[in-house]
Amino acid sequence: ETGVTQSPTHLIKTRGQQVTLRCSSQSGHNTVSWYQQALGQGPQFIFQYYREEENGRGNFPPRFSGLQFPNYSSELNVNALELDDSALYLCASSTTSTPTTEAFFGQGTRLTVV
Amino acid sequence: AQSVSQHNHHVILSEAASLELGCNYSYGGTVNLFWYVQYPGQHLQLLLKYFSGDPLVKGIKGFEAEFIKSKFSFNLRKPSVQWSDTAEYFCAVNINQAGTALIFGKGTTLSVSS
Repeated sequence: ETGVTQSPTHLIKTRGQQVTLRCSSQSGHNTVSWYQQALGQGPQFIFQYYREEENGRGNFPPRFSGLQFPNYSSELNVNALELDDSALYLCASSTTSTPTTEAFFGQGTRLTVV
Repeated sequence: AQSVSQHNHHVILSEAASLELGCNYSYGGTVNLFWYVQYPGQHLQLLLKYFSGDPLVKGIKGFEAEFIKSKFSFNLRKPSVQWSDTAEYFCAVNINQAGTALIFGKGTTLSVSS
């Protein structure tokens, strides 16, 4: 167990809807990153939050947005869901935002868009 | 854009066989290199990492990897695999300007038969 918990574990949404995924980071970690893992692919970086500010973003459209709260937990919001958004969404937390810091991953939320 | 290539999609070995999984990345600057493993039903976890110094790094469970800068490679090795090594293995790269953001390869599924 890494201490990074994600909720829910699975959910099904309809195209066009909005979804919020949640991540509770490991104690003492102030940095959270989100990844999208499509079937048969490696995780793709969506964005990173450090002390409640977004400080890095991958190649994802603005309908993917996030928040980090004072307790360093985080949310990933996706608006106007598309079928291609079906994937495993992973959250990772780390003690700092420096590149050499190990990231600890949660077990993910499996999102299915129908 | 930076990318990571893993040469083998699926590797099948018998117990006690030697393992080498290939990983190449495309980026000319300073990189930090990682191998992550995902056992069936579990979260991604770090096997080993390279930041600087000795290009031969040792990780958990008898795994090691060698960074060859001239070949942009970071291959994972284990002299003698066990059935419990059955898992998916991901090579990942981080560049210093990108915080903790990781660029993952597509992964290699390793199946070890007893």
